[in-house]
Amino acid sequence: AQSVSQHNHHVILSEAASLELGCNYSYGGTVNLFWYVQYPGQHLQLLLKYFSGDPLVKGIKGFEAEFIKSKFSFNLRKPSVQWSDTAEYFCAVESGGYQKVTFGTGTKLQVIP
Amino acid sequence: DVKVTQSSRYLVKRTGEKVFLECVQDMDHENMFWYRQDPGLGLRLIYFSYDVKMKEKGDIPEGYSVSREKKERFSLILESASTNQTSMYLCASSFSNGPTVGDTQYFGPGTRLTVL
Repeated sequence: AQSVSQHNHHVILSEAASLELGCNYSYGGTVNLFWYVQYPGQHLQLLLKYFSGDPLVKGIKGFEAEFIKSKFSFNLRKPSVQWSDTAEYFCAVESGGYQKVTFGTGTKLQVIP
Repeated sequence: DVKVTQSSRYLVKRTGEKVFLECVQDMDHENMFWYRQDPGLGLRLIYFSYDVKMKEKGDIPEGYSVSREKKERFSLILESASTNQTSMYLCASSFSNGPTVGDTQYFGPGTRLTVL
């Protein structure tokens, strides 16, 4: 069964600091990869996704993620975080058919003004 | 805008009660999902459905059942609620890009269920 690991459970950064959140998955076949974000009091929403093509994908609000197949990784990055990026971030992997998606345990990001 | 609505934001039930959680989407999505979200455990898939009257077990189906009689509606049923089912329940829907490829999931606001 697919498993998704997010190494950082809670990250605290100052505004303008750079961000990198790790995501690794276990299944070695064809995968579709997602990052979702949940801002305080809001619905989970898509940040970005990778299905194929350029392994560096750009999402909303200046976020990007790089798919490295050899490392089974899909890390999320942002060069300069803002207070409004305070949220919980979830990595998700679709694999094995039947459109089943496995989520990681989430990373809470707190950005200090 | 895609809209996924859930019947209740907060629900309090007693142990042993039968509980129905309803989810409705307005985008004609083929796929619908039920997750529970618990601190430190992320989202765990309970059941999903890729068509009317079709359902597949997710990772934690025990103690739950589902019903999809209409394309826009997906119900989660707790046959006999227990305290360990206290959680946030999230519904989601997505288009299908083929038999094995899904797309972005759109989430509802969640139902926080407390079982006493």
